[in-house]
Amino acid sequence: NFMLTQPHSVSESPGKTVTISCTRSSGSIASHYVQWYQQRPGSAPTTVIYDNDQRPSGVPDRFSGSIDSSSNSASLTISGLKTEDEADYFCQSYDSNNSYVFGTGTKVTVL
Amino acid sequence: QVQLVESGGGVVQPGRSLRLSCVVSGFTFSSYGMHWVRQAPGKGLEWVAVVWYDGRIKYYADSVKGRFSISRDNSKNTVYLQMSSLRAEDTGVYYCATTGGPSGPMDVWGRGTTVIVSS
Repeated sequence: NFMLTQPHSVSESPGKTVTISCTRSSGSIASHYVQWYQQRPGSAPTTVIYDNDQRPSGVPDRFSGSIDSSSNSASLTISGLKTEDEADYFCQSYDSNNSYVFGTGTKVTVL
Repeated sequence: QVQLVESGGGVVQPGRSLRLSCVVSGFTFSSYGMHWVRQAPGKGLEWVAVVWYDGRIKYYADSVKGRFSISRDNSKNTVYLQMSSLRAEDTGVYYCATTGGPSGPMDVWGRGTTVIVSS
């Protein structure tokens, strides 16, 4: 099994850009797709990025995803930050032993 | 549109059992896998179990293996989570979520049902 480690929190002003990392502890980040979920306070998670870099319909193009094999990590970037982006964000990937791993979660604060 | 509604949560004593249900509407239920994911108070997300389209293939997190059982009834568009030998650490909000494939995303989530294990 592997772990996905995220920064505990990030904060930035409206209109700025934040990037959240998701580092895989063992095995290649490229071996299975990485998903990203947004969870606003008191609400269920929703998908903001799927399959590393795909955006579901309805998710603004301010959200983008990528993976970097050199650092064995995935990243979620939110540009043009808005107050409505304030939420917890979780990465997630599939483990070949038929289990699913979530990242530790990152709280995004819009100052 | 796609809607998932969980039910069955409540307060239960340690060692007892509880069954959660998740009713799905708005899409072809039998074409999708279904996950259960939980979240302890103030904590992150933890995957619990998944059942594939026809209900034959099921996988569990190590933390619940042997105590929880996932099943589905495609005639009722419902997925279940039978939880037994409950422990305090099973306390949390339980969400069901759809998925299109083994390594795919958890596309749509329900609003969750709360389980509290306490004496």
